[in-house]
Amino acid sequence: GAGVSQSPSNKVTEKGKDVELRCDPISGHTALYWYRQSLGQGLEFLIYFQGNSAPDKSGLPSDRFSAERTGGSVSTLTIQRTQQEDSAVYLCASSKQAGNSYNEQFFGPGTRLTVL
Amino acid sequence: KQEVTQIPAALSVPEGENLVLNCSFTDSAIYNLQWFRQDPGKGLTSLLLIQSSQREQTSGRLNASLDKSSGRSTLYIAASQPGDSATYLCAVRTDNFNKFYFGSGTKLNVKP
Repeated sequence: GAGVSQSPSNKVTEKGKDVELRCDPISGHTALYWYRQSLGQGLEFLIYFQGNSAPDKSGLPSDRFSAERTGGSVSTLTIQRTQQEDSAVYLCASSKQAGNSYNEQFFGPGTRLTVL
Repeated sequence: KQEVTQIPAALSVPEGENLVLNCSFTDSAIYNLQWFRQDPGKGLTSLLLIQSSQREQTSGRLNASLDKSSGRSTLYIAASQPGDSATYLCAVRTDNFNKFYFGSGTKLNVKP
């Protein structure tokens, strides 16, 4: 079946502009995660959605970052007033959770954001 | 805060060698640990998932072990092939389920 998809695959923007990144998780996956991977760095957790519960936003680096998940499916990560240090690959992942069983994460291909 | 370290950062081996990648974590209160591979310009592909109650998992030429009390996991790759060349990442899921912490990866190059 279809995996996690993300769009756009590449985004180049000017400093100060707002950007929106989209993630379509695997159908039926209730958990959705956003990560950021800067050049040569490991993955940095940003935000976690689980079903209809309040998201865990503890990883968002500043109030310029926000995310929402509509209808428990598609998620949008928004970065306002982009800065050059926001340049990174933004990865989305989803997983199926049933009861107390937490399953493996499946990742999308990522969106490469470049802020000029 | 959980810290995950992977050693070595890079590894270059001739084809056919058996090799071990290491992952260590500072807080043993984990729910599970997952190994991934990442190919250049692409997302992560899940390789193995080990629950905290398990000691190891195997898939084909890959074997991952977990010693939760000592905060260590190893990924063993048997009979390495050039197609195994990629960056290998380990991630631990904390006990509160929400957060994953990733290591910075081991970049593997298998030479033909």
